[in-house]
Amino acid sequence: VQLVESGGGLVQPGGSLRLSCAASGFTFTDYSMGWVRQAPGKGLEWVSFVTSTSADIYYADSVKGRFTVSRDNAKSSVYLHMTSLRAEDTALYYCTRSPTSGGSCYYDYWGQGTLVRVSS
Amino acid sequence: QSVLTQPPSASGTPGQRVTISCSGSTSNVGTNYVYWYQQLPGTAPKLLIYRNHQRPSGVPDRFSGSKSGTSASLAISGLRSEDEADYYCAAWDDSLSGVVFGGGTKLTVL
Repeated sequence: VQLVESGGGLVQPGGSLRLSCAASGFTFTDYSMGWVRQAPGKGLEWVSFVTSTSADIYYADSVKGRFTVSRDNAKSSVYLHMTSLRAEDTALYYCTRSPTSGGSCYYDYWGQGTLVRVSS
Repeated sequence: QSVLTQPPSASGTPGQRVTISCSGSTSNVGTNYVYWYQQLPGTAPKLLIYRNHQRPSGVPDRFSGSKSGTSASLAISGLRSEDEADYYCAAWDDSLSGVVFGGGTKLTVL
């Protein structure tokens, strides 16, 4: 199992960024996927979760209305489109795999993360 | 302020048994499964305990989880230096329709 995030970088406040997570080594359509972030020196914060068919999608209140999660099962990839970025969105963003069909924090594999820095 | 409450730090000497608590409410820990993650320095988190007390393959049986009411605990017996890490509890919250994490506990092996 491999989860490889990309797309992080430096962006100005109010800007946008799209993170990608390429999955391999398992049947992508059998799993839900999630995003969890960690600000520098801080704890884990859940961001979003999407079920295998995208029928159910969940967001943390802190990102609702600004972030959009999507997945392309043909490409075994999940994305996080982030808009109206704020300084407090600065974090390492982890892609996670979940062997559940509903909203859950059961994440059995994690990527290495991609760093998003929001600063002028 | 995290929804789930963990002590910020814990410590023990090699061979000792330590426990880390995780306190929540009826909408999260009291109703749903609790999960524990271990984050070694500079690495991504790793699933340690799922569904309150289940261990993924490869996780030593020195690690055990339990839950009672709106509280959960992670116990580590036979403490080893390589157990020095941050530990996080997590649960689904029915009121928030989302995941809540504890603030994390930094375990030091003296």
